[in-house]
Amino acid sequence: DAKTTQPTSMDCAEGRAANLPCNHSTISGNEYVYWYRQIHSQGPQYIIHGLKNNETNEMASLIITEDRKSSTLILPHATLRDTAVYYCIDYSDQGAQKLVFGQGTRLTINP
Amino acid sequence: ETGVTQSPTHLIKTRGQQVTLRCSSQSGHNTVSWYQQALGQGPQFIFQYYREEENGRGNFPPRFSGLQFPNYSSELNVNALELDDSALYLCASSGDLMGEKLFFGSGTQLSVL
Repeated sequence: DAKTTQPTSMDCAEGRAANLPCNHSTISGNEYVYWYRQIHSQGPQYIIHGLKNNETNEMASLIITEDRKSSTLILPHATLRDTAVYYCIDYSDQGAQKLVFGQGTRLTINP
Repeated sequence: ETGVTQSPTHLIKTRGQQVTLRCSSQSGHNTVSWYQQALGQGPQFIFQYYREEENGRGNFPPRFSGLQFPNYSSELNVNALELDDSALYLCASSGDLMGEKLFFGSGTQLSVL
């Protein structure tokens, strides 16, 4: 079962920042926070990951709280093509189990 | 475009049959993972192969098996198909030292009747 908790759905206006929250209440010290998204009819797409520092790349920013119990994925200027299901995942490279996806947040960008 | 291709895109089988799904990974990616995604759910990890050896397995029965070949292609085989095996099957590849930054294909939609 997934270890993270996300809202089922969110809406955001085109051009605005989309902030997607995730709760990691049971995250352990060696687990990374990974974010993926899945656009309709495609496989999941890697967005970003981090351990305890905030991260930024060309797609998004990731903010992780100091206690690591929550994170926020930020899409700074959302476009219609960002409409997708977004998954946050706690990942450890210590075990045999790999990425454990929950049901994610369905983000809809409105014109 | 992830460089990961899967075939076929759609497949219909009947209960009890066997199926083979194929995946072509990015050149240089030694790790391939397979996931099953039921309608409305997130993907579930089936197993992972690294350099042709199984390197981790999820909670799937032995009738789900795989092969990885030196040419960066791989297969997922499912024997004795059940109705609940109807799902989208996703293949993902990654390179050494990339953690779980996976590159997914678009999947094979399997329907079991």
